[in-house]
Amino acid sequence: DVKVTQSSRYLVKRTGEKVFLECVQDMDHENMFWYRQDPGLGLRLIYFSYDVKMKEKGDIPEGYSVSREKKERFSLILESASTNQTSMYLCATTGQGATLYSNQPQHFGDGTRLSIL
Amino acid sequence: QQPVQSPQAVILREGEDAVINCSSSKALYSVHWYRQKHGEAPVFLMILLKGGEQKGHDKISASFNEKKQQSSLYLTASQLSYSGTYFCGTASNTGKLIFGQGTTLQVKP
Repeated sequence: DVKVTQSSRYLVKRTGEKVFLECVQDMDHENMFWYRQDPGLGLRLIYFSYDVKMKEKGDIPEGYSVSREKKERFSLILESASTNQTSMYLCATTGQGATLYSNQPQHFGDGTRLSIL
Repeated sequence: QQPVQSPQAVILREGEDAVINCSSSKALYSVHWYRQKHGEAPVFLMILLKGGEQKGHDKISASFNEKKQQSSLYLTASQLSYSGTYFCGTASNTGKLIFGQGTTLQVKP
């Protein structure tokens, strides 16, 4: 089974702080994704990566950046946290050989519920 | 552009059937369906590929009409374990999977 591990289930930070959310997968998947989930809006793609050191903007990248120095780890960075970034953040991966418009399932982590005060 | 799911919410009794629809304004290559229980990660149900296929998994099945850019998820003889939020994800030529806003399904005894 694919295991996608997000470093924290709950996180509370202050406005203006730099925040790091970590995601680690154990299946050697090439593609990794960061989503935020808000009630009534579903899952919205922030950034994704299809290889080490490669990254692409998703639909809502403003205020975020990402880092992928190793294949198994994909980090989401809030450069200067704001209250409107309070949300559930989900990391996902897809398997080797998957095209981004994907005939492979996405495997999700349990999510990080982030509160910005 | 985000696909539109309908209905937004549905309440069923055990044993009843439900249909969840997913519509896109873009031409689609594939449609994914996921279920998320409260406090848990979304879990993959099935993928339907271009070609207008249907798939089934136990008493949950789905269809994909690429001409209409629509997919439907069918839940037959619902069980308590079917409760959760269902998301469709649509893949077009942009290279990204875009999720709908979700449909909350509650199955009561």
